[in-house]
Amino acid sequence: AQSVTQLDSHVSVSEGTPVLLRCNYSSSYSPSLFWYVQHPNKGLQLLLKYTSAATLVKGINGFEAEFKKSETSFHLTKPSAHMSDAAEYFCVVRSGNTGKLIFGQGTTLQVKP
Amino acid sequence: DTGVSQDPRHKITKRGQNVTFRCDPISEHNRLYWYRQTLGQGPEFLTYFQNEAQLEKSRLLSDRFSAERPKGSFSTLEIQRTEQGDSAMYLCASSFPSAREGGLTYNEQFFGPGTRLTVL
Repeated sequence: AQSVTQLDSHVSVSEGTPVLLRCNYSSSYSPSLFWYVQHPNKGLQLLLKYTSAATLVKGINGFEAEFKKSETSFHLTKPSAHMSDAAEYFCVVRSGNTGKLIFGQGTTLQVKP
Repeated sequence: DTGVSQDPRHKITKRGQNVTFRCDPISEHNRLYWYRQTLGQGPEFLTYFQNEAQLEKSRLLSDRFSAERPKGSFSTLEIQRTEQGDSAMYLCASSFPSAREGGLTYNEQFFGPGTRLTVL
């Protein structure tokens, strides 16, 4: 069975400092991994995706994630946080042929001025 | 707006009533998914359609829940005899295939804004 574990339920950073949101995955085969963001009262938006091409994936709004098979990790990073980055972030793995998404529990990112 | 749309955005109902939600996917997206998100949790898969065929249902989808996609375009999700535990955000997503070596692959899912259900 596939799953993802987000290691932090809440992360707080100051504006302008780096962001690190941690995610470990479990999969019996090469996974397709995603990060989605959910702002209050808005729909889920895709930040980036990994589908077995380059291990360093660049997404929107300056976010990146690195797929590390040896560590079964897919951590999300951003060099400099902006106030507008405050939101809920979900690490997601796609399940096989059905394509259904399996979400982590989410990490709330707080950005302090 | 060419994104995924859902209607209604909010629904308040009394326990025991039936409710129906609608999802309109992005045109040409032949896969449509329903998820449920409760407060403080990530979305959980409920069911999905490829065109008009319902191909998988989660065990979360009790017999009070039914979903349809009669013409392979919009979909409806009905909950009969609602219970307070049904209170959640119901999300719809759609995706489309692209060809790759070895067959088709399905791209990322595009989500609608959700329908928030409150059962009193």
